[in-house]
Amino acid sequence: EIVMTQSPATLSVSPGERATLSCRASQSVSSNLAWYQQLPGQAPRLLIYGASTRATGIPARFSGSGSGTEFALTISSLQSEDFAVYYCQQYNNWPRTFGQGTKVEIK
Amino acid sequence: QVQLVQSGAEVKKPGSSVKVSCKVSGDTFSSYPITWVRQAPGQGLEWMGGIIPIFSTTTYDQKFQGRVTMTADKSTSTAYMELSRLTSEDTAMYYCARLIPAYSSGWLGWFDPWGQGTLVTVSS
Repeated sequence: EIVMTQSPATLSVSPGERATLSCRASQSVSSNLAWYQQLPGQAPRLLIYGASTRATGIPARFSGSGSGTEFALTISSLQSEDFAVYYCQQYNNWPRTFGQGTKVEIK
Repeated sequence: QVQLVQSGAEVKKPGSSVKVSCKVSGDTFSSYPITWVRQAPGQGLEWMGGIIPIFSTTTYDQKFQGRVTMTADKSTSTAYMELSRLTSEDTAMYYCARLIPAYSSGWLGWFDPWGQGTLVTVSS
């Protein structure tokens, strides 16, 4: 099973600042990686697929990068609605696995 | 716009089974796999498995093999996830999601959109 490790567990950021979230896979997943955002009390929402392609309707301030084992999600200028938990997920190997999540909170 | 609407919350006794439904609207039901993910209270996301409705082909995480059954009713565009021999550790929010294949078909893909979730509580 591929283990996805996200860091940091919690990221404290001020509105308007840039946030960079990391995700590491225990073995290569090529570019078969997605990022999801989960607001409190809501279902996850797809942000990024293919490591770097924004899903439909996702603002340009969200960007994904990386391949192989190292990935990043960058939010260029945090808005109030971006404070949430973010999960990475690999879909290259069975079973599909998620990172444990990074909580982005208001500083 | 594709929507996945799940059945309501359930409270179950240990040792019993639960069956959660996921109705798909706004798209061709059989074309895409439906996947199931659960989230224990305050925890992360855990993939359980999925079904391709047009073929009723299923794949399950080994952790749930023998305890989970995923089915689909094409006539009502509804997918189902049944989990048996419940314990308190199965208390969680259960989500269905459509799998979008990276290529024309198959299991390689991402999950979008998601249902609203169904809370299953296992308690004596």
